Amino acid sequence: DAKTTQPPSMDCAEGRAANLPCNHSTISGNEYVYWYRQIHSQGPQYIIHGLKNNETNEMASLIITEDRKSSTLILPHATLRDTAVYYCIVRSFYSGGGADGLTFGKGTHLIIQP
Amino acid sequence: NAGVMQNPRHLVRRRGQEARLRCSPMKGHSHVYWYRQLPEEGLKFMVYLQKENIIDESGMPKERFSAEFPKEGPSILRIQQVVRGDSAAYFCASSPSASGSDTQYFGPGTRLTVL
Repeated sequence: DAKTTQPPSMDCAEGRAANLPCNHSTISGNEYVYWYRQIHSQGPQYIIHGLKNNETNEMASLIITEDRKSSTLILPHATLRDTAVYYCIVRSFYSGGGADGLTFGKGTHLIIQP
Repeated sequence: NAGVMQNPRHLVRRRGQEARLRCSPMKGHSHVYWYRQLPEEGLKFMVYLQKENIIDESGMPKERFSAEFPKEGPSILRIQQVVRGDSAAYFCASSPSASGSDTQYFGPGTRLTVL
Protein backbone atom coordinates (compact mmCIF):
# COMPACT_ATOMS: atom_id res chain seq x y z
CA ASP A 1 0.00 0.00 0.00
CA ALA A 2 1.16 3.53 -0.75
CA LYS A 3 2.59 5.65 2.02
CA THR A 4 0.77 8.73 3.33
CA THR A 5 2.06 11.98 4.84
CA GLN A 6 0.00 14.10 7.23
CA PRO A 7 0.82 17.12 9.41
CA PRO A 8 1.33 16.00 13.03
CA SER A 9 -1.13 18.47 14.49
CA MET A 10 -3.69 21.13 13.61
CA ASP A 11 -5.95 23.52 15.47
CA CYS A 12 -9.40 24.61 14.41
CA ALA A 13 -11.96 26.90 16.02
CA GLU A 14 -15.24 25.37 17.08
CA GLY A 15 -17.95 25.90 14.46
CA ARG A 16 -15.46 26.39 11.63
CA ALA A 17 -14.61 23.91 8.91
CA ALA A 18 -11.62 21.70 9.63
CA ASN A 19 -9.57 20.82 6.56
CA LEU A 20 -7.12 17.96 7.06
CA PRO A 21 -4.62 17.35 4.24
CA CYS A 22 -3.02 14.08 3.25
CA ASN A 23 -0.31 13.43 0.71
CA HIS A 24 -0.21 10.04 -1.05
CA SER A 25 1.95 10.75 -4.08
CA THR A 26 2.74 7.09 -4.80
CA ILE A 27 -0.88 5.91 -4.84
CA SER A 28 -1.74 3.46 -7.60
CA GLY A 29 -4.91 3.20 -9.64
CA ASN A 30 -6.47 0.40 -7.61
CA GLU A 31 -5.91 1.97 -4.20
CA TYR A 32 -8.60 3.63 -2.10
CA VAL A 33 -8.12 6.54 0.28
CA TYR A 34 -9.64 5.87 3.71
CA TRP A 35 -10.03 8.19 6.68
CA TYR A 36 -10.43 7.02 10.26
CA ARG A 37 -10.22 8.86 13.55
CA GLN A 38 -9.39 7.78 17.06
CA ILE A 39 -10.88 9.76 19.91
CA HIS A 40 -8.66 9.47 22.96
CA SER A 41 -8.07 5.72 23.37
CA GLN A 42 -11.29 4.48 21.80
CA GLY A 43 -11.43 2.15 18.81
CA PRO A 44 -10.75 3.77 15.42
CA GLN A 45 -13.90 5.16 13.87
CA TYR A 46 -14.46 4.96 10.13
CA ILE A 47 -15.20 8.34 8.55
CA ILE A 48 -15.19 8.10 4.77
CA HIS A 49 -13.37 6.60 1.80
CA GLY A 50 -13.02 7.23 -1.93
CA LEU A 51 -11.28 6.13 -5.08
CA LYS A 52 -11.36 8.99 -7.58
CA ASN A 53 -14.44 11.11 -7.05
CA ASN A 54 -15.17 13.42 -4.18
CA GLU A 55 -17.35 11.83 -1.52
CA THR A 56 -19.67 13.19 1.15
CA ASN A 57 -21.52 11.56 4.00
CA GLU A 58 -23.13 12.69 7.24
CA MET A 59 -19.77 13.06 8.94
CA ALA A 60 -17.46 14.63 6.40
CA SER A 61 -16.45 15.33 2.81
CA LEU A 62 -13.45 13.87 1.02
CA ILE A 63 -11.84 15.84 -1.76
CA ILE A 64 -9.36 13.89 -3.92
CA THR A 65 -7.20 15.80 -6.40
CA GLU A 66 -7.47 14.90 -10.06
CA ASP A 67 -4.05 13.25 -10.09
CA ARG A 68 -5.01 11.41 -6.85
CA LYS A 69 -1.72 12.33 -5.21
CA SER A 70 -3.36 14.14 -2.34
CA SER A 71 -6.68 14.49 -0.58
CA THR A 72 -8.41 16.66 2.01
CA LEU A 73 -10.86 15.59 4.67
CA ILE A 74 -13.35 18.32 5.52
CA LEU A 75 -15.35 18.43 8.74
CA PRO A 76 -17.81 21.18 7.86
CA HIS A 77 -18.71 22.45 11.33
CA ALA A 78 -16.18 21.21 13.85
CA THR A 79 -17.27 20.63 17.45
CA LEU A 80 -15.22 19.91 20.56
CA ARG A 81 -16.09 16.24 20.16
CA ASP A 82 -14.18 16.17 16.87
CA THR A 83 -10.89 16.50 18.76
CA ALA A 84 -9.09 13.29 17.81
CA VAL A 85 -6.21 11.79 15.84
CA TYR A 86 -7.18 11.52 12.18
CA TYR A 87 -5.59 8.85 10.01
CA CYS A 88 -5.38 8.90 6.23
CA ILE A 89 -4.82 5.37 4.90
CA VAL A 90 -4.33 4.04 1.40
CA ARG A 91 -5.60 0.53 0.79
CA SER A 92 -5.48 -1.70 -2.25
CA PHE A 93 -8.70 -2.92 -3.80
CA TYR A 94 -7.12 -6.37 -4.03
CA SER A 95 -6.61 -8.51 -0.97
CA GLY A 96 -3.65 -10.71 -0.23
CA GLY A 97 0.06 -10.21 -0.56
CA GLY A 98 0.18 -8.41 2.75
CA ALA A 99 -2.42 -5.89 1.69
CA ASP A 100 -5.09 -7.04 4.12
CA GLY A 101 -4.24 -5.07 7.23
CA LEU A 102 -4.58 -1.31 7.38
CA THR A 103 -1.33 0.61 7.77
CA PHE A 104 -1.79 3.37 10.32
CA GLY A 105 0.78 6.17 10.33
CA LYS A 106 1.05 8.80 13.05
CA GLY A 107 -1.97 10.74 11.80
CA THR A 108 -2.93 14.34 12.50
CA HIS A 109 -3.91 15.34 16.00
CA LEU A 110 -6.79 17.76 15.42
CA ILE A 111 -7.59 20.00 18.36
CA ILE A 112 -10.84 21.94 18.27
CA GLN A 113 -10.57 25.15 20.25
CA PRO A 114 -13.65 26.59 21.99
CA ASN B 1 -27.19 -3.65 13.80
CA ALA B 2 -24.74 -4.20 16.61
CA GLY B 3 -21.18 -3.17 15.97
CA VAL B 4 -18.02 -5.14 16.57
CA MET B 5 -17.94 -6.40 20.14
CA GLN B 6 -14.87 -7.13 22.18
CA ASN B 7 -14.54 -8.55 25.64
CA PRO B 8 -13.30 -8.12 28.16
CA ARG B 9 -12.80 -4.37 27.86
CA HIS B 10 -10.09 -4.44 30.50
CA LEU B 11 -7.93 -7.40 31.43
CA VAL B 12 -5.26 -7.59 34.10
CA ARG B 13 -2.80 -10.46 34.13
CA ARG B 14 0.37 -11.26 36.05
CA ARG B 15 3.53 -12.13 34.22
CA GLY B 16 3.46 -15.72 33.00
CA GLN B 17 -0.32 -16.03 32.86
CA GLU B 18 -2.42 -16.44 29.73
CA ALA B 19 -4.62 -13.75 28.20
CA ARG B 20 -7.63 -14.51 26.01
CA LEU B 21 -9.25 -11.70 24.08
CA ARG B 22 -12.53 -12.19 22.27
CA CYS B 23 -13.98 -10.47 19.22
CA SER B 24 -17.47 -10.88 17.78
CA PRO B 25 -17.66 -9.36 14.29
CA MET B 26 -20.56 -7.36 12.95
CA LYS B 27 -23.49 -9.39 11.67
CA GLY B 28 -22.79 -10.61 8.16
CA HIS B 29 -19.02 -10.08 8.44
CA SER B 30 -16.82 -13.13 8.05
CA HIS B 31 -13.44 -11.37 7.98
CA VAL B 32 -11.68 -10.40 11.20
CA TYR B 33 -8.52 -8.39 11.75
CA TRP B 34 -6.56 -7.88 14.98
CA TYR B 35 -4.44 -4.80 15.70
CA ARG B 36 -2.27 -3.82 18.66
CA GLN B 37 -1.61 -0.33 19.97
CA LEU B 38 1.30 -0.03 22.36
CA PRO B 39 1.28 2.95 24.74
CA GLU B 40 1.92 6.22 22.89
CA GLU B 41 2.25 4.39 19.56
CA GLY B 42 0.15 3.83 16.45
CA LEU B 43 -1.96 0.82 15.62
CA LYS B 44 -0.15 -2.13 14.10
CA PHE B 45 -1.80 -4.91 12.14
CA MET B 46 -1.31 -8.35 13.64
CA VAL B 47 -3.42 -10.98 11.91
CA TYR B 48 -6.29 -11.45 9.45
CA LEU B 49 -8.67 -14.40 9.68
CA GLN B 50 -11.67 -15.77 7.88
CA LYS B 51 -13.87 -18.45 9.37
CA GLU B 52 -11.60 -21.33 10.41
CA ASN B 53 -8.62 -19.96 8.47
CA ILE B 54 -5.68 -17.70 9.19
CA ILE B 55 -5.09 -15.73 6.00
CA ASP B 56 -2.31 -13.31 6.95
CA GLU B 57 -0.34 -13.40 10.20
CA SER B 58 2.55 -11.27 9.03
CA GLY B 59 2.20 -8.91 12.00
CA MET B 60 1.99 -11.53 14.74
CA PRO B 61 4.93 -11.99 17.09
CA LYS B 62 6.49 -15.38 16.36
CA GLU B 63 6.11 -16.75 19.87
CA ARG B 64 3.37 -16.83 22.51
CA PHE B 65 0.69 -15.25 20.28
CA SER B 66 -2.00 -17.17 18.42
CA ALA B 67 -5.38 -16.43 16.90
CA GLU B 68 -8.38 -18.40 15.80
CA PHE B 69 -11.80 -17.79 14.30
CA PRO B 70 -13.84 -20.97 14.70
CA LYS B 71 -16.89 -21.89 12.67
CA GLU B 72 -19.06 -21.03 15.64
CA GLY B 73 -18.33 -18.31 18.16
CA PRO B 74 -16.04 -15.32 18.39
CA SER B 75 -12.50 -14.86 17.19
CA ILE B 76 -9.94 -15.38 19.95
CA LEU B 77 -6.53 -13.76 20.32
CA ARG B 78 -4.48 -15.76 22.79
CA ILE B 79 -1.30 -14.61 24.47
CA GLN B 80 0.57 -17.21 26.47
CA GLN B 81 3.03 -16.44 29.28
CA VAL B 82 2.38 -12.72 29.13
CA VAL B 83 5.19 -10.25 29.77
CA ARG B 84 5.03 -6.56 30.70
CA GLY B 85 5.72 -5.58 27.09
CA ASP B 86 2.40 -7.14 26.07
CA SER B 87 0.55 -4.37 27.92
CA ALA B 88 -1.36 -2.59 25.17
CA ALA B 89 -4.77 -1.97 23.65
CA TYR B 90 -5.86 -4.74 21.32
CA PHE B 91 -8.43 -3.85 18.69
CA CYS B 92 -10.45 -6.10 16.47
CA ALA B 93 -12.03 -5.06 13.17
CA SER B 94 -14.39 -6.85 10.83
CA SER B 95 -15.48 -6.49 7.22
CA PRO B 96 -17.84 -8.35 4.88
CA SER B 97 -15.00 -9.16 2.46
CA ALA B 98 -11.29 -8.63 2.03
CA SER B 99 -11.72 -6.16 -0.80
CA GLY B 100 -10.24 -2.72 -0.34
CA SER B 101 -13.62 -1.29 -1.19
CA ASP B 102 -15.16 -2.86 1.91
CA THR B 103 -14.68 -0.95 5.14
CA GLN B 104 -13.13 -2.43 8.25
CA TYR B 105 -15.15 -1.49 11.32
CA PHE B 106 -13.40 -1.50 14.67
CA GLY B 107 -14.48 -2.61 18.11
CA PRO B 108 -13.87 -0.69 21.36
CA GLY B 109 -10.74 -2.65 22.18
CA THR B 110 -9.41 -4.68 25.09
CA ARG B 111 -6.88 -2.99 27.33
CA LEU B 112 -4.43 -5.55 28.64
CA THR B 113 -2.32 -4.68 31.66
CA VAL B 114 0.42 -7.08 32.70
CA LEU B 115 1.61 -6.67 36.28
